[in-house]
Amino acid sequence: DQQVKQNSPSLSVQEGRISILNCDYTNSMFDYFLWYKKYPAEGPTFLISISSIKDKNEDGRFTVFLNKSAKHLSLHIVPSQPGDSAVYFCAASRYGGSQGNLIFGKGTKLSVKP
Amino acid sequence: DTEVTQTPKHLVMGMTNKKSLKCEQHMGHRAMYWYKQKAKKPPELMFVYSYEKLSINESVPSRFSPECPNSSLLNLHLHALQPEDSALYLCASSQTGEGYGYTFGSGTRLTVV
Repeated sequence: DQQVKQNSPSLSVQEGRISILNCDYTNSMFDYFLWYKKYPAEGPTFLISISSIKDKNEDGRFTVFLNKSAKHLSLHIVPSQPGDSAVYFCAASRYGGSQGNLIFGKGTKLSVKP
Repeated sequence: DTEVTQTPKHLVMGMTNKKSLKCEQHMGHRAMYWYKQKAKKPPELMFVYSYEKLSINESVPSRFSPECPNSSLLNLHLHALQPEDSALYLCASSQTGEGYGYTFGSGTRLTVV
């Protein structure tokens, strides 16, 4: 059973617009959530994280929102740039990520068109 | 140095071969990880080392043998692999404790023939 779900395999957005990537989880014990970006032939690159004690974390163009009651988080990219085109993975963990077991979603492929 | 370096980038091996994947980081991270990623699937955790000691083994077959010689190096020894073991093997590291992101290497693309 998938504990972390990214239900949209792909998303296409115009340059300059907002990209919203969604992620749902089922395990209420998760307390730490991360977003990774992955280009082909490269390892995942850490983007942004959020602890379950917060509902929002912002870093430049990237903002992650957490809705614990809905077990839902989202990544907003504003404004979107062509270089943002990549596969985005949502990941979740217990114990603040200290135990090493990140559970990844299947990823959403973002295409930002000029 | 803010990178995790994995070698080789590509590896083709026969089912009777013995090979090793190497991972190195110089960020002072005391936790290191091996993940396996099949095509169009998310990365899956294999092993966790914390302070050079194996802390998590996610029921990985014994044909995969991890080793952490020191705080900067992590190896994955491969022996008698099967074609279904072909995948991208990712190494990652992080600071220990809560609230830290993981830094991933670029991976080793392994093909077992």
